[in-house]
Amino acid sequence: GQNIDQPTEMTATEGAIVQINCTYQTSGFNGLFWYQQHAGEAPTFLSYNVLDGLEEKGRFSSFLSRSKGYSYLLLKELQMKDSASYLCAVRDRNYQLIWGAGTKLIIKP
Amino acid sequence: GAVVSQHPSRVICKSGTSVKIECRSLDFQATTMFWYRQFPKKSLMLMATSNEGSKATYEQGVEKDKFLINHASLTLSTLTVTSAHPEDSSFYICSVDMNTEAFFGQGTRLTVV
Repeated sequence: GQNIDQPTEMTATEGAIVQINCTYQTSGFNGLFWYQQHAGEAPTFLSYNVLDGLEEKGRFSSFLSRSKGYSYLLLKELQMKDSASYLCAVRDRNYQLIWGAGTKLIIKP
Repeated sequence: GAVVSQHPSRVICKSGTSVKIECRSLDFQATTMFWYRQFPKKSLMLMATSNEGSKATYEQGVEKDKFLINHASLTLSTLTVTSAHPEDSSFYICSVDMNTEAFFGQGTRLTVV
């Protein structure tokens, strides 16, 4: 079966750095996505990785290792508004999106 | 990117009634739209793939007679929850793929009382 694993919940301090990990086992790979979802709202796109390496976009960076089936989302200079769930998703060989359960990130002052 | 509009954002209905949720792609012609369901603190669960001009493709375990999908045009797909029950209460989200990225509607919070 196909599976996406990420921690259920993480806590970090305002101004700090946090890394959210995601491991996947899917039938084929056509890209990995990170989405942010605030409670009661739809997910919003953060990043896309299809090749190995680090993609940086402002305070957010995403890393991919296809050989290890592993990705992480790095959030720097955390702000209170970053409190949300972060969803990891992989497109499989059929281009279907397989979703992780999400990591709830709690930011404390 | 694509702009996807979903309506209504919240709906409360009585058990046994039907509820229609609309998903519109405002600036992109979408031959395919996706309908998801999300329970609290759970992942997005793909319910069905809506195909313009043809029948929707339902995921295993999703009752097609209960969750009716119509995709009559390239910009509109509708999901109708028929004979709703309290266990159908959930967050329903539609999405459109454009250039590998998924764009989501605002979601619909359905509460069946």
